[in-house]
Amino acid sequence: DQQVKQNSPSLSVQEGRISILNCDYTNSMFDYFLWYKKYPAEGPTFLISISSIKDKNEDGRFTVFLNKSAKHLSLHIVPSQPGDSAVYFCAASSGNTGKLIFGQGTTLQVKP
Amino acid sequence: GAVVSQHPSRVICKSGTSVKIECRSLDFQATTMFWYRQFPKKSLMLMATSNEGSKATYEQGVEKDKFLINHASLTLSTLTVTSAHPEDSSFYICSARGWQTNEKLFFGSGTQLSVL
Repeated sequence: DQQVKQNSPSLSVQEGRISILNCDYTNSMFDYFLWYKKYPAEGPTFLISISSIKDKNEDGRFTVFLNKSAKHLSLHIVPSQPGDSAVYFCAASSGNTGKLIFGQGTTLQVKP
Repeated sequence: GAVVSQHPSRVICKSGTSVKIECRSLDFQATTMFWYRQFPKKSLMLMATSNEGSKATYEQGVEKDKFLINHASLTLSTLTVTSAHPEDSSFYICSARGWQTNEKLFFGSGTQLSVL
């Protein structure tokens, strides 16, 4: 049972355009959501997070939107840069346990 | 951000041998460490949670006798894959958090295990 789903395995965008990565979840107990970026053979690095009490969080070029009623979150990167090319994982947790449930990841390719 | 060091980064071993992977928090005290594994093109799957000084809590379906986790100090946790088999070949990643990280998780760089 996949509680966190990233239905798009890959995404390709042109440099300078907006990248939108989507994530859906099924567990209504999740109260904290995170996005991680991962390069091959490396561990994930934290990108941005959002608490369930908010619907938007912005950090520079990265913005995460949360739609609790739809159990959906998205990561917007604008403008996209070639260095953003990586695998992006969304993750969710509940009750500050620290246990993260990850989605399958979306491979983003930003073309120059 | 905080630094989590994981070693080795890559290991190749023969079937039937045991492999130990170390995860160290370099600049904070890790009260909790998590071990994940990732199969190619799949998500990170949580294997177990370990709190310093106590036994690890394993996720459903993870064999505790096969994947031995030790978290004896606030800066070190180890994962030992015992009697490794080819199906244990995977990418293993640890993460750690503590009060000094404001409970944020930081990840190691991962270990690619290949069992021949």
